Amino acid sequence: DAGITQSPRHKVTETGTPVTLRCHQTENHRYMYWYRQDPGHGLRLIHYSYGVKDTDKGEVSDGYSVSRSKTEDFLLTLESATSSQTSVYFCAISLTGTGYTFGSGTRLTVV
Amino acid sequence: AQRVTQPEKLLSVFKGAPVELKCNYSYSGSPELFWYVQYSRQRLQLLLRHISRESIKGFTADLNKGETSFHLKKPFAQEEDSAMYYCALSGLTGGSNYKLTFGKGTLLTVNP
Repeated sequence: DAGITQSPRHKVTETGTPVTLRCHQTENHRYMYWYRQDPGHGLRLIHYSYGVKDTDKGEVSDGYSVSRSKTEDFLLTLESATSSQTSVYFCAISLTGTGYTFGSGTRLTVV
Repeated sequence: AQRVTQPEKLLSVFKGAPVELKCNYSYSGSPELFWYVQYSRQRLQLLLRHISRESIKGFTADLNKGETSFHLKKPFAQEEDSAMYYCALSGLTGGSNYKLTFGKGTLLTVNP
């Protein structure tokens, strides 16, 4: 496969609960990214990482946090889920920072 | 700041007709441009990158720095080309860290 897996694939959660999405890679790539995909907005960058413990905010980072304690895993946490965070979340990896490989996505519904 | 504009949300053509998906960008440095394709409910896949200047699935795209455009073209559309297409730009952020900025996408429908 593409060497990148996201879990879970689908999740329904209640407003106000914390949620963690996982992105796992087997490619040993330096860069990892979290995007959300919404109709009419395309893909918007939430957070990204350029190395272990090195992360930075994207354009829609409010309400989200990330952690990268090892090269292969990049976790996205919704601290207190809201209905506006209902979306499809994509993780991406890159060796050089250009030309991404995407995961299959996580479809999150906040009710 | 880096910005990508895809002016058409929807594009519908007939099989065998030429297709052009428009992409304009704004970036102060030297950009790297990409086209990604997403078939129904699947992951995004890299279709083209401007530095490789190759043709994938009959699609081509030329970077026009004067017009700041990177339009995607195919002379004869096929039904299997129906998908969402995203134009994307890669640029440097602080230091040497890269991030990809996407346009909002164009949904291409090829009718039989």
